[in-house]
Amino acid sequence: AQSVTQLGSHVSVSEGALVLLRCNYSSSVPPYLFWYVQYPNQGLQLLLKYTSAATLVKGINGFEAEFKKSETSFHLTKPSAHMSDAAEYFCAVSDLFGNAGGTSYGKLTFGQGTILTVHP
Amino acid sequence: SAVISQKPSRDICQRGTSLTIQCQVDSQVTMMFWYRQQPGQSLTLIATANQGSEATYESGFVIDKFPISRPNLTFSTLTVSNMSPEDSSIYLCSARLAREQFFGPGTRLTVL
Repeated sequence: AQSVTQLGSHVSVSEGALVLLRCNYSSSVPPYLFWYVQYPNQGLQLLLKYTSAATLVKGINGFEAEFKKSETSFHLTKPSAHMSDAAEYFCAVSDLFGNAGGTSYGKLTFGQGTILTVHP
Repeated sequence: SAVISQKPSRDICQRGTSLTIQCQVDSQVTMMFWYRQQPGQSLTLIATANQGSEATYESGFVIDKFPISRPNLTFSTLTVSNMSPEDSSIYLCSARLAREQFFGPGTRLTVL
């Protein structure tokens, strides 16, 4: 079974400060890892994903995350927070499975979410 | 990419009634999913709906409570049956396209 733990349900930073959102996972197979962002009254949007290539993954809006197998972590960072980054962020894990059409992602298991607040 | 719309965006319902949520995708997709996001909690997968086959439900979810239809490659419905206040949640539709999973804006359901 897979699981995801996001440390901190709420994170507050000042505009221009470093953003660090923590995610630890548990998986019995090599995982695929994702970060999604959810703005108020909108669906989830994919920020970035790790799919066993480079361990440092760059995503949209200046976010990046580093896969650390030894720490079973996939923390999300951004050097300088903007007001527009205020949203809820979800970390998710999936395994890989094969099907007739080739390989694909398995079921997504989400963390509890972290609400990011950015102060002026 | 895929754009997903849901109807209704929100609703307030009386206990014992049923609500059907519609999900429309602007691309043809094989795999669609329904998630529930209870207040203050994360997303939980209810079921996977592939076109041409019966939906596959996750542990804790049953077809009688959450019947799903998948009549074609761009559309699905989820019905929340015999509702109780514990069903108050955001219900999200999702679709997989080109090895990426896209999400709709959700349906916010309140059951009184």
